[in-house]
Amino acid sequence: SQKIEQNSEALNIQEGKTATLTCNYTNYSPAYLQWYRQDPGRGPVFLLLIRENEKEKRKERLKVTFDTTLKQSLFHITASQPADSATYLCALVDGSGYALNFGKGTSLLVTP
Amino acid sequence: EPEVTQTPSHQVTQMGQEVILRCVPISNHLYFYWYRQILGQKVEFLVSFYNNEISEKSEIFDDQFSVERPDGSNFTLKIRSTKLEDSAMYFCATRGSGLSYEQYFGPGTRLTVT
Repeated sequence: SQKIEQNSEALNIQEGKTATLTCNYTNYSPAYLQWYRQDPGRGPVFLLLIRENEKEKRKERLKVTFDTTLKQSLFHITASQPADSATYLCALVDGSGYALNFGKGTSLLVTP
Repeated sequence: EPEVTQTPSHQVTQMGQEVILRCVPISNHLYFYWYRQILGQKVEFLVSFYNNEISEKSEIFDDQFSVERPDGSNFTLKIRSTKLEDSAMYFCATRGSGLSYEQYFGPGTRLTVT
């Protein structure tokens, strides 16, 4: 069956450091992968999409890599800030209706 | 910036009652979705809707669930006879065109079934 796995443990880092979150998947051959941010009690917010032919994508302090051989994506936040504290979700498209299949997410806590 | 809105923000209902959750999609978006998130669990897909019909649904979306776009603007999710296990956050999401893959989520409706 198709699976998306993200670090189940919360990631605690100090302000200013780089946070790196991992997303691994099995039984998918995705054309693209997406990352979302979710704050407690709120809906997911789209951050970045990376296509299978892109090794890396950047947006401001965010960087995503996509290795289709390893079946893995890494999500980096550089110069992290307390406002970056949230749960980050990896998502792949599942089916013809472009429904998203989400991982459980990794909780990030950035402390001053 | 356009956003997806959902009402109500919180709905409390008794087991066996019908509930209707409402969503107003972003105006020029064509693809609509419902997801749910049980407390502490991952976001799960329920159903996708395009061109006034269901395009895909998950195993969760059984005969107790239905969706419609009654007036060309609102997008609704109906649960006919709620169960305790339907308690969750329900998110509406929309997508623009066929070439836009990112989805825009509403703030959610917290459904509590007692």
